[in-house]
Amino acid sequence: DGGITQSPKYLFRKEGQNVTLSCEQNLNHDAMYWYRQDPGQGLRLIYYSQIVNDFQKGDIAEGYSVSREKKESFPLTVTSAQKNPTAFYLCASSIGLAGGPGEQFFGPGTRLTVL
Amino acid sequence: GENVEQHPSTLSVQEGDSAVIKCTYSDSASNYFPWYKQELGKRPQLIIDIRSNVGEKKDQRIAVTLNKTAKHFSLHITETQPEDSAVYFCAATPNDYKLSFGAGTTVTVRA
Repeated sequence: DGGITQSPKYLFRKEGQNVTLSCEQNLNHDAMYWYRQDPGQGLRLIYYSQIVNDFQKGDIAEGYSVSREKKESFPLTVTSAQKNPTAFYLCASSIGLAGGPGEQFFGPGTRLTVL
Repeated sequence: GENVEQHPSTLSVQEGDSAVIKCTYSDSASNYFPWYKQELGKRPQLIIDIRSNVGEKKDQRIAVTLNKTAKHFSLHITETQPEDSAVYFCAATPNDYKLSFGAGTTVTVRA
């Protein structure tokens, strides 16, 4: 299961605060992704990045922001503009452009709770 | 964008029986169809995938079939075991690497 890590495992936030979720991978993957998982809704794509210094919005990007300054890191910031941020957040990575669509490797996830 | 529907949402089977999960997709350009298994409290892991140039793929007790004309694909698990109990997700993507996931199927294998 090694290779992609997320921290912290649990995160509590007060309403109105921004929080940043960490995602790091040592798989030398070009592509990285952020998903949100809610009960009964599967995984929904927030943002993805196919290469360093570039990223695109997914299906539910409103209220979130990302950066991709390094190949191994893809942090996600949940801003106060996100209406319902309590959820389980999963980061993933894949080989990327060179390999074509292929297996995404997931991190262990961060459970965010807004108090 | 791509829309993936998955059925059933829950599935209970007797140990040793087969389990079948079906997914439909909307974008005819989709060409990669993975299946992920997520055990309770753990991360999703790929169990099998299929590309659009193949109609069927098998790996031990797991098989996936793809019908491009009807735009649906299915996961078949034979000789189910208690360790097969988990949530299974199907997904589809065209060439832009954006996986669209189904809502998931909770499989329970009864001993």
